[in-house]
Amino acid sequence: QVTLKESGPALVKPTQTLTLTCTLSGFSLSSDGMRIHWIRQPPGKPLEWLARIDRDDDKFYSTSLKTRLTVSKDTSKNQVFLSLTNVDPVDTATYYCARTATTVTYLDYWGQGMLVTVSS
Amino acid sequence: QTVVTQEPSFSVSPGGTLTLTCGLSSGSVSTSNYPSWYQQTPGQTPRTLIYGTNTRSSGVPDRFSGSILGNTAALTITGAQADDESDYYCILYVGSGISVFGTGTKVTVL
Repeated sequence: QVTLKESGPALVKPTQTLTLTCTLSGFSLSSDGMRIHWIRQPPGKPLEWLARIDRDDDKFYSTSLKTRLTVSKDTSKNQVFLSLTNVDPVDTATYYCARTATTVTYLDYWGQGMLVTVSS
Repeated sequence: QTVVTQEPSFSVSPGGTLTLTCGLSSGSVSTSNYPSWYQQTPGQTPRTLIYGTNTRSSGVPDRFSGSILGNTAALTITGAQADDESDYYCILYVGSGISVFGTGTKVTVL
């Protein structure tokens, strides 16, 4: 059974660095064509694509956030990480990880999402 | 910065047909953008409807179809039902490894 699950702090203070973990189950990050994406959605607002990491460790970032984002992985633990530096209340959102295994925009499995609030 | 634009809202009568569009600020949408469509109800994770322009995801009824319409990607819903009332998002691959979600369309069935 394929699952993804986000974990990390639910509350972060402004200017801190947010680090989230996506734990994968039922498939391997090293499988052919596997890519893990990070997406977020502020309350009442649209989805926003943030970043992607591929099985071969290629990394790609949203143009607007690339200076603040870092994505990485630990294949041995089947985990993917997202760091967002210098957070601000506008970064309050539900953060999702999701995978694509074929078409790059076909996010076939998503995590349940994790609400992260940025507040002092 | 690339912007992907959708209609903010759309209303349809039960049984009616609607076509949602997904446009690209930098030019025309093509199959090379691999347009995909997602349905999201409040508090839920998005559900894939269409991927790669016109392939329905598993379990999606054939009332939903995807296409390229002029210079946009399009999602057509025929025979609208009450439970089609949701937010709909497209996503496009814009190159250099980057994908961008659309601004979303809120669909009301009334």
